Amino acid sequence: DAGVTQSPTHLIKTRGQHVTLRCSPISGHKSVSWYQQVLGQGPQFIFQYYEKEERGRGNFPDRFSARQFPNYSSELNVNALLLGDSALYLCASSQAVSSYNEQFFGPGTRLTVL
Amino acid sequence: AQSVTQPDIHITVSEGASLELRCNYSYGATPYLFWYVQSPGQGLQLLLKYFSGDTLVQGIKGFEAEFKRSQSSFNLRKPSVHWSDAAEYFCAVGANAGNMLTFGGGTRLMVKP
Repeated sequence: DAGVTQSPTHLIKTRGQHVTLRCSPISGHKSVSWYQQVLGQGPQFIFQYYEKEERGRGNFPDRFSARQFPNYSSELNVNALLLGDSALYLCASSQAVSSYNEQFFGPGTRLTVL
Repeated sequence: AQSVTQPDIHITVSEGASLELRCNYSYGATPYLFWYVQSPGQGLQLLLKYFSGDTLVQGIKGFEAEFKRSQSSFNLRKPSVHWSDAAEYFCAVGANAGNMLTFGGGTRLMVKP
């Protein structure tokens, strides 16, 4: 079975632009979470979605938004990009939203903001 | 608010030597604790997890970790390191409700031949 897939793998944007990152969860998984990993740091939680509803939001500005589609795939949108948004964006999927449910991480999307 | 501290940013060990990576957490209730490994260009892979019960947990690739409530620690150990273990290791704590994770800053492991 395929693991969590993310697209694109890399992208370069300039300040002020908008970006959309995509994530396809493992088949059968209904929860998707997004994390931001700045170089040299651990991942930071951004959003969690379950059954198309937002279940959690981390300490990120309103420029960050996300949604989950009926097929459980997800998009992360970032508006008005700043240099500090440069990071690896990780998507994780799980069957449900309990801590008992292991999260499986995708390879990430490397975003560079110039 | 929950937090995780990994005091060692970099650790270098010789191949075949033992390894211990430190993790300290802050959490008000019973913690759900995890260790993940991240190799270059790859996502995070779960090594092991602790929810309750036996405080010594076994994971994949020969790793184990011990939960010590009195010290708020969850250190990762391996008796004999292989060159392929070189990677970045992250300790994380999960909330009781939901599986949003709070990660530590990571420890980069280098293995000398």
